[in-house]
Amino acid sequence: GQNIDQPTEMTATEGAIVQINCTYQTSGFNGLFWYQQHAGEAPTFLSYNVLDGLEEKGRFSSFLSRSKGYSYLLLKELQMKDSASYLCAIVYSSASKIIFGSGTRLSIRP
Amino acid sequence: KAGVTQTPRYLIKTRGQQVTLSCSPISGHRSVSWYQQTPGQGLQFLFEYFSETQRNKGNFPGRFSGRQFSNSRSEMNVSTLELGDSALYLCASSLGGRGTDTQYFGPGTRLTVL
Repeated sequence: GQNIDQPTEMTATEGAIVQINCTYQTSGFNGLFWYQQHAGEAPTFLSYNVLDGLEEKGRFSSFLSRSKGYSYLLLKELQMKDSASYLCAIVYSSASKIIFGSGTRLSIRP
Repeated sequence: KAGVTQTPRYLIKTRGQQVTLSCSPISGHRSVSWYQQTPGQGLQFLFEYFSETQRNKGNFPGRFSGRQFSNSRSEMNVSTLELGDSALYLCASSLGGRGTDTQYFGPGTRLTVL
């Protein structure tokens, strides 16, 4: 299957930590991207995971468990500018086709 | 290095018309993918071109077509427009066209069909 599940919306407080989950059911999995998309703008690359474990990049970290079909994006020290949609995308091994989840709209409140 | 550019940025058409959208990838990138984004369906893959050949195709009707030129620029065409084709059309380029290559998105073309 190609189902990718993410929560539709989340709300968090400035300065706090938020975790956005992504689960997928797909064979031939070859990697997972996280993209950030501000309203009215194009998606921008955040992270790429292909091996199990945690990848840290400043305030953002991404985790992958291939056996569980599960990933999360962790955002620390939240800022108002982090209000955006976060898209999880799966890469298939046999082609360059990428399937995007519907995205999680994150709202940050003061 | 210049980013991905798309033209036009906004377009208004009426049902039954056809439209052509253009995408210029980042210099040196050989793969261009096209996506349709709507509030209800999210980001949907249309097709991907690599070295002037369509390598992958999503589940869209034949009214949606594309091509890529020798300089890697790509065009997407939609014929016989329907109201439901109103959407943001995004193109993304990547270096070698492997699925694991990071895709860089253009600003999109917002198409409104009346």
